[in-house]
Amino acid sequence: LAKTTQPISMDSYEGQEVNITCSHNNIATNDYITWYQQFPSQGPRFIIQGYKTKVTNEVASLFIPADRKSSTLSLPRVSLSDTAVYYCLVGGSQGNLIFGKGTKLSVKP
Amino acid sequence: GAVVSQHPSRVICKSGTSVKIECRSLDFQATTMFWYRQFPKQSLMLMATSNEGSKATYEQGVEKDKFLINHASLTLSTLTVTSAHPEDSSFYICSAPSGGVTQYFGPGTRLLVL
Repeated sequence: LAKTTQPISMDSYEGQEVNITCSHNNIATNDYITWYQQFPSQGPRFIIQGYKTKVTNEVASLFIPADRKSSTLSLPRVSLSDTAVYYCLVGGSQGNLIFGKGTKLSVKP
Repeated sequence: GAVVSQHPSRVICKSGTSVKIECRSLDFQATTMFWYRQFPKQSLMLMATSNEGSKATYEQGVEKDKFLINHASLTLSTLTVTSAHPEDSSFYICSAPSGGVTQYFGPGTRLLVL
């Protein structure tokens, strides 16, 4: 399973755009890239998933370059409630996901 | 997205007793579910894969006789922590895949062993 590397922490202010980049150099051909958000004492919540290029939904965008060795989660105009840990995971249809340390995002007023 | 529930949300038990945690996929079927454990300020660690109709597969270092897993139906997996001890106190989270490669996680169960 592909290992991922993310910054341990990031700070931002309300209203700013936040970009969190994840490295996954040994991603396999059939692997998808999925981002989750986790608040304390809650299970991870699905944010966005992609295979290549760009994916956008109502809460975030995911940018994946052609070589797929990295990905960037973009959160537009963050608010205090976006303070959480964000995990980048890489996996295929077998389902089991190996979590890295994640990125602790702190949004300040 | 798909919904996964867990019951109970939190449980306190005495050392030496057994505790059962349920994981349900509410609006989809899952032949496979996954169990994770998360200690404070740490990431999720995969414990085992629950397979409907067959034995669970455990990650290295996880005692299969201590953490009993039963995948009773296509919507239910249970994790039983047998003879629980204080070091088993943790946050237990299950997940199930829906739509191919997307995993959906339950809300977690906080276990405190006294």
